[in-house]
Amino acid sequence: GIQVEQSPPDLILQEGANSTLRCNFSDSVNNLQWFHQNPWGQLINLFYIPSGTKQNGRLSATTVATERYSLLYISSSQTTDSGVYFCAGTYTDKLIFGTGTRLQVFP
Amino acid sequence: GAVVSQHPSRVICKSGTSVKIECRSLDFQATTMFWYRQFPKQSLMLMATSNEGSKATYEQGVEKDKFLINHASLTLSTLTVTSAHPEDSSFYICSARDEEWIDEQFFGPGTRLTVL
Repeated sequence: GIQVEQSPPDLILQEGANSTLRCNFSDSVNNLQWFHQNPWGQLINLFYIPSGTKQNGRLSATTVATERYSLLYISSSQTTDSGVYFCAGTYTDKLIFGTGTRLQVFP
Repeated sequence: GAVVSQHPSRVICKSGTSVKIECRSLDFQATTMFWYRQFPKQSLMLMATSNEGSKATYEQGVEKDKFLINHASLTLSTLTVTSAHPEDSSFYICSARDEEWIDEQFFGPGTRLTVL
């Protein structure tokens, strides 16, 4: 089956730092999305980004579909950014989740 | 828009009882909903695809007789964990696709099930 690897698995930052999260797919996917899972478990849609680049405030994402990877940039991180970040893509009509990056931002 | 609710948010039950979890799309219609399970510090794993008016499609290794899914309307899908045992303790999350934005899924807040 398809493998979706995210890196790094864990990331610890001080408030104000920038970071880049990566998502690699072993096969082509459609409908790539990025999510933030907050400490209470709620998945929050960050980006729907099958290709190209999008920006939303301090967050931006880039997907290079031909090379099967996507990047999530977080600038000027805040403590509220803490949680787990997942990428997910549709493969054979199913949304397949990545392994996740656990981010902790300290004041 | 695109809000999905789940109820209950947390349930603790004794081994052998059945638990029903509801998933509702509040402001859109969803002919397709999905049920996921997430164990601590792990990713989400798809359990089944719930289709309005027809039988659910289960992923390999998921017992259809243990995890009963009913999708009776365009805004409601239910997951019943029958005869729950401690190994069924997990975080269950549903999602729905807005038929107008079929490519993007929106997720409920999840239900934390603890079986004693």
